Amino acid sequence: QSVLTQPPSVSGAPGQRVTISCAGSSSNIGAGYDVHWYQQLPGTAPKLLIYGNSNRPSGVPDRFSGSKSGTSASLAISGLQAEDEADYYCQSYSLSGYVFGTGTKVTVL
Amino acid sequence: EVQLVESGGGLVQPGGSLRLSCAASGFTFSSYTMNWVRQAPGKGLEWVSYISGSTSNINYADSVKGRFTISRDNAKNSLYLQMNSLRAEDTAVYYCARVGSGWFYDYWGQGTLVTVSS
Repeated sequence: QSVLTQPPSVSGAPGQRVTISCAGSSSNIGAGYDVHWYQQLPGTAPKLLIYGNSNRPSGVPDRFSGSKSGTSASLAISGLQAEDEADYYCQSYSLSGYVFGTGTKVTVL
Repeated sequence: EVQLVESGGGLVQPGGSLRLSCAASGFTFSSYTMNWVRQAPGKGLEWVSYISGSTSNINYADSVKGRFTISRDNAKNSLYLQMNSLRAEDTAVYYCARVGSGWFYDYWGQGTLVTVSS
């Protein structure tokens, strides 16, 4: 059961900027736990995209950026490219364990 | 190079049991908390269970508590998930994932499919 809420889908033309929201609560994001983001290409395992709210692992393009405020977070993709078409998940933590977002499918028009 | 390779998935009848394994390499296995995360067909990611490096901390999602047991063998660099009393809703790809320094998953395996059906 997902406890972080994301929009089911977002879309944009190549080169545009899109954002994905991730809404939590006072028991997870609002409790001070960091938010992390994963990209899942079709038929593959998730891949870490952003950790610690806004940090990119080595190899992740700087087109991807993250932020957190209060009980929510967001992922921005600027200069949208065809290879960015994928599912994106936010993830945080709560006293009962790890929590994931509902997932957002990004479509490049 | 960090590698996580799951095995043990397959078709099982409702009420049956299955044991998943995850072979780890390329890092000091005993130093890391490990997790199982699952994804039902066409659905999102769901955390299942975690176990700390020393096995002193273990936790389960409510959906599997009392039915699944996580364990590890640090001498064999292996993570396990014993799944009992399986239900149709347990059908999913099961991933093992390593926890980085901050409650996030820095490495994932390729996943193993578990299908619960008669």
